[in-house]
Amino acid sequence: GAVVSQHPSRVICKSGTSVKIECRSLDFQATTMFWYRQFPKQSLMLMATSNEGSKATYEQGVEKDKFLINHASLTLSTLTVTSAHPEDSSFYICSAGPSWDTEAFFGQGTRLTVV
Amino acid sequence: GIQVEQSPPDLILQEGANSTLRCNFSDSVNNLQWFHQNPWGQLINLFYIPSGTKQNGRLSATTVATERYSLLYISSSQTTDSGVYFCAFSGSRLTFGEGTQLTVNP
Repeated sequence: GAVVSQHPSRVICKSGTSVKIECRSLDFQATTMFWYRQFPKQSLMLMATSNEGSKATYEQGVEKDKFLINHASLTLSTLTVTSAHPEDSSFYICSAGPSWDTEAFFGQGTRLTVV
Repeated sequence: GIQVEQSPPDLILQEGANSTLRCNFSDSVNNLQWFHQNPWGQLINLFYIPSGTKQNGRLSATTVATERYSLLYISSSQTTDSGVYFCAFSGSRLTFGEGTQLTVNP
């Protein structure tokens, strides 16, 4: 199957700082990537759809100024958590697929802790 | 929107037992997938199964699209099968069920 790589896998940052998470498709081009957030013992919640060369589409209730998404190439999308606060601590995971209507593959996820 | 319901929410097994996990959806869906989320959080693709039956080792899955459900079978379970199993379907994006938390005890 296709390979999606996410980095870093774990990050601890101080409150008020920004953190960037990278999601790369290693063996295919992805015009669309997806960013999810997962709280403990819960399912995955879609945050935003990242579109190569255009603005991301955010789900209702997700602050686009806090969660900045950039999809500058066909193999890389980044999520930046700006001015992080402890309530932003969570597990973030990206996904991509060769096309939007085929099998999706996930990165390893990033566990963010804001202290 | 289309709702997806997974059952059971929790399942505890002894090693070697068999189990069936179910995913019901409220309307016709495309591109149904099953995932296993391991204790480290990684989502592992198990099956991409819009319809029909597939098998991979001790695991198999069946989707009956006309009746709006999918089943995941785990035979001869092992402790490494523990984790959360999700079904998900895609339209313009993937929609996940709430998952089944599986614990396999030695």
